[in-house]
Amino acid sequence: DQQVKQNSPSLSVQEGRISILNCDYTNSMFDYFLWYKKYPAEGPTFLISISSIKDKNEDGRFTVFLNKSAKHLSLHIVPSQPGDSAVYFCAAPRGMEYGNKLVFGAGTILRVKS
Amino acid sequence: DVKVTQSSRYLVKRTGEKVFLECVQDMDHENMFWYRQDPGLGLRLIYFSYDVKMKEKGDIPEGYSVSREKKERFSLILESASTNQTSMYLCASTPADRGRAGYTFGSGTRLTVV
Repeated sequence: DQQVKQNSPSLSVQEGRISILNCDYTNSMFDYFLWYKKYPAEGPTFLISISSIKDKNEDGRFTVFLNKSAKHLSLHIVPSQPGDSAVYFCAAPRGMEYGNKLVFGAGTILRVKS
Repeated sequence: DVKVTQSSRYLVKRTGEKVFLECVQDMDHENMFWYRQDPGLGLRLIYFSYDVKMKEKGDIPEGYSVSREKKERFSLILESASTNQTSMYLCASTPADRGRAGYTFGSGTRLTVV
């Protein structure tokens, strides 16, 4: 039961352009979402999060948009840089009764070409 | 900086061997987790511990066990390694009161079972 879905396994973008990574979820009880970034041979690192009381959160070049009615969120990276090339995971805590354990999507490999 | 350290970066083991993966965190976090990462499947939770000697099964506990004798150390044990346990294993920790804010991950252990 994959409650968080990232349907695009990979994305290739030219340096300087916008990267848009998408994530869909099925559990309407999710009220907080996180994006993680992972380089090869390293652990995932926290990138940005959003609470369901907001529809947008911005941190420098990274913006996350949340559309609750569509159960969809997206991560925008503007402008994209070669160092952004990594795997990006969308995640959500399952809820207090599950100890807020994170459930992750399958990930999207982003390649930024210079 | 919070550090989560996994003792081995790469391991090669034979089918049927008993394998120990060690994880140590230095920030007095209550919660510790073991995930495995596989292409197309994302990060899947194997086991979770919220206190010394306490453990809970995650989504894919079969073939694994864990040990938490000290707060800073969480060990994953493969009782009898099989080739389908070839994967990247990631340990993570978080304080009890900040589970929703995200985890700190170790760098991972790439395990190959031959």
